Amino acid sequence: DAGVIQSPRHEVTEMGQEVTLRCKPISGHDYLFWYRQTMMRGLELLIYFNNNVPIDDSGMPEDRFSAKMPNASFSTLKIQPSEPRDSAVYFCASSLAPRTRNTEAFFGQGTRLTVV
Amino acid sequence: KQEVTQIPAALSVPEGENLVLNCSFTDSAIYNLQWFRQDPGKGLTSLLLIQSSQREQTSGRLNASLDKSSGRSTLYIAASQPGDSATYLCAVSFNFGNEKLTFGTGTRLTIIP
Repeated sequence: DAGVIQSPRHEVTEMGQEVTLRCKPISGHDYLFWYRQTMMRGLELLIYFNNNVPIDDSGMPEDRFSAKMPNASFSTLKIQPSEPRDSAVYFCASSLAPRTRNTEAFFGQGTRLTVV
Repeated sequence: KQEVTQIPAALSVPEGENLVLNCSFTDSAIYNLQWFRQDPGKGLTSLLLIQSSQREQTSGRLNASLDKSSGRSTLYIAASQPGDSATYLCAVSFNFGNEKLTFGTGTRLTIIP
């Protein structure tokens, strides 16, 4: 398997524009996570899905952020409208089973978002 | 509040030396703890996962220990190499059934040739 695949790797957009980040988890993994990494706050969980269903979205900062998982092999994180403070690296991760069974989370390469 | 702390934020060590990275957490009721490596501009690579019932895990030159009672974990790297230079992140799963990982801010390690 090629691992968790994210696209694009880099995104530069103007404030107010819509941004869509994409993720393909490892085939067969039940859980998908979206994290955001900034210098100030480190890595933070935004939302995670189990079998395509959102389980915990308490980390989503505002209504401008939304995430979907229409099928087991694809998820999107959308920001509309984008703001400069959304600039960060966004990571997608997946795992085979609940962490209660002590399985590891595997991370994608991340999308570096810059909002100007 | 459940928090994970890593000190120091940065560490430089001559090649060949053994070293220890530290991670502390505020709540001893953890389910497991995972150490990751992050290279500049890259994603996170899982190094070791320690279950709450375990005291340590080993993989090659890496050894991770866990002491829940004191709220600490250490990552020991033996015979350090320049290729070990990276940021090392500790992440804790605090609650049973909660899939959320709480990350420390990381230690940026530089191995000096």
